[in-house]
Amino acid sequence: AQSVAQPEDQVNVAEGNPLTVKCTYSVSGNPYLFWYVQYPNRGLQFLLKYITGDNLVKGSYGFEAEFNKSQTSFHLKKPSALVSDSALYFCAVRDLFTGGGNKLTFGTGTQLKVEL
Amino acid sequence: GAGVSQSPSNKVTEKGKDVELRCDPISGHTALYWYRQRLGQGLEFLIYFQGNSAPDKSGLPSDRFSAERTGESVSTLTIQRTQQEDSAVYLCASSQIVGNEQFFGPGTRLTVL
Repeated sequence: AQSVAQPEDQVNVAEGNPLTVKCTYSVSGNPYLFWYVQYPNRGLQFLLKYITGDNLVKGSYGFEAEFNKSQTSFHLKKPSALVSDSALYFCAVRDLFTGGGNKLTFGTGTQLKVEL
Repeated sequence: GAGVSQSPSNKVTEKGKDVELRCDPISGHTALYWYRQRLGQGLEFLIYFQGNSAPDKSGLPSDRFSAERTGESVSTLTIQRTQQEDSAVYLCASSQIVGNEQFFGPGTRLTVL
């Protein structure tokens, strides 16, 4: 079975400071990993994904994520946070080994709050 | 191009009534998914359609929930005899096989009184 953990319900950071939103995963085989963002009263928007290749993945709005196989992590990062980054962030995983089609398992989400 | 659309955006119903939610996926996307998001919680997978294959219904919480999809187009999620615990935002997503990322609609907010 595949699973995702987002250990922090909320992350607070000052504007201009770097931010990290943590995600760890568990799969039987090799993972596809994704980050999505949800703004209030809106659907989820795709940010970035890791399938293979470079461990550092760059995505939308200046976000990036680092795949670490030994630590089974895929933390989301941004060098300089903006107030407009405040939103709910979801990590998701798909296990290639089980061949479960495109079925993704989502984490419970981390609320990011960026303050002036 | 157009994204995933869902209708209605909001639905208020009385306990015991049936409701039907609609999803129009992105044209050309063969896979379609339904999720439920309760207030303050993560996404709960409900059902997944891939082309002409049998749907993966493993996430449907009870037999009151069902979904259909016509070919690779519109899907409807039906909830019969609604209960208050069915109140949630129902999200639809679609994807191409190769890209794998899912593109989400804005959701339908269902309130069961």
